Amino acid sequence: TQLLEQSPQFLSIQEGENLTVYCNSSSVFSSLQWYRQEPGEGPVLLVTVVTGGEVKKLKRLTFQFGDARKDSSLHITAAQPGDTGLYLCAGARGSQGNLIFGKGTKLSVKP
Amino acid sequence: EAEVAQSPRYKITEKSQAVAFWCDPISGHATLYWYRQILGQGPELLVQFQDESVVDDSQLPKDRFSAERLKGVDSTLKIQPAELGDSAMYLCASSPIRATYEQYFGPGTRLTVT
Repeated sequence: TQLLEQSPQFLSIQEGENLTVYCNSSSVFSSLQWYRQEPGEGPVLLVTVVTGGEVKKLKRLTFQFGDARKDSSLHITAAQPGDTGLYLCAGARGSQGNLIFGKGTKLSVKP
Repeated sequence: EAEVAQSPRYKITEKSQAVAFWCDPISGHATLYWYRQILGQGPELLVQFQDESVVDDSQLPKDRFSAERLKGVDSTLKIQPAELGDSAMYLCASSPIRATYEQYFGPGTRLTVT
């Protein structure tokens, strides 16, 4: 059973378009992280959200944590080819910092 | 900017051989994690260290995998013997405080078992 479901699994869009990817679970998480991973590299941390309903912005990226701390979304405005990559969400449970990762959304932005 | 170092970046080995990966976390980070990432999947935790102690190795296949962090700094993950199904990216991550959940990943070691 996948604890964190990410959708869509694949997304191919044109430069300048907006997009939203989702991370859903039936479990409550104490915090949730979003990472971007490029082929052959390790994931790079983008943001951590910890409070239900929290919204964080990172330039053209907007992250939201659901009120019940079970889901999250990532919205990208005016996507650019440099946004291409695998977007992973990861939820933390318990006190030991262990993360549960989703399978990721593979985004391709065409110029 | 401080980074997690891993070596080698790529490793090709034959099944039944032994293989080892090395990780040097960001200086001062007490917690170190080893993950395995199969193509098309998210990373899955293999083992977590707090300083030199294992905190969680429940998902580590202990019949063939071993991990150590003797001085609480760098770490080695070993597979012996390697199997075809071990082909994956092996990622090391570190975090500064156990409860922050913000983990910083190294570039990974891509293992191919033939």
